[in-house]
Amino acid sequence: GQNIDQPTEMTATEGAIVQINCTYQTSGFNGLFWYQQHAGEAPTFLSYNVLDGLEEKGRFSSFLSRSKGYSYLLLKELQMKDSASYLCAVREAATDSWGKLQFGAGTQVVVTP
Amino acid sequence: KAGVTQTPRYLIKTRGQQVTLSCSPISGHRSVSWYQQTPGQGLQFLFEYFSETQRNKGNFPGRFSGRQFSNSRSEMNVSTLELGDSALYLCASSLAERGVYNEQFFGPGTRLTVL
Repeated sequence: GQNIDQPTEMTATEGAIVQINCTYQTSGFNGLFWYQQHAGEAPTFLSYNVLDGLEEKGRFSSFLSRSKGYSYLLLKELQMKDSASYLCAVREAATDSWGKLQFGAGTQVVVTP
Repeated sequence: KAGVTQTPRYLIKTRGQQVTLSCSPISGHRSVSWYQQTPGQGLQFLFEYFSETQRNKGNFPGRFSGRQFSNSRSEMNVSTLELGDSALYLCASSLAERGVYNEQFFGPGTRLTVL
């Protein structure tokens, strides 16, 4: 089976940094994705990690350690618009399959003025 | 390039009825996946289609089915609706090419309410 854990909620101040952790136990691994989902909207892609290390994209960075089954998403210089749910998702190692993602329950980030 | 589109956006049905939801992927995308999102269970994988073939299936009862057409458009069907089927149904498409990470692009979803 698969188990993906992330905190339920985090609160931070505008301009601060927040780190959202994600741990996973999956039967296979072929990449880890982070998505952002604003209330009432569809998830939008933020980052992808398949090898160990840090991937940086502007204010957002994502880190992966495959041996530890661990990833984090780092949000820097928080803005009010970053208030959203952040979803960690793991893709299984399956041949000719690109679309089966196992999602965590999501971390609701609340940015306060 | 147009994004993933889903129709209808909202749907109200009663128990026992059946429903068909439609998804048009981004042009050129060959893989279409369906997810169910509820407050209690989060995003759960239903199935994935590629080249009109089901590649993967999640842990949902046989009342949930889908198909993909030659133009990559996909439909999912839920028969004998139950109250617990009330959810946001999301469709996602990806390029499905080797050597790239193939992120999934989500449509706006169909909000299904079963009364």
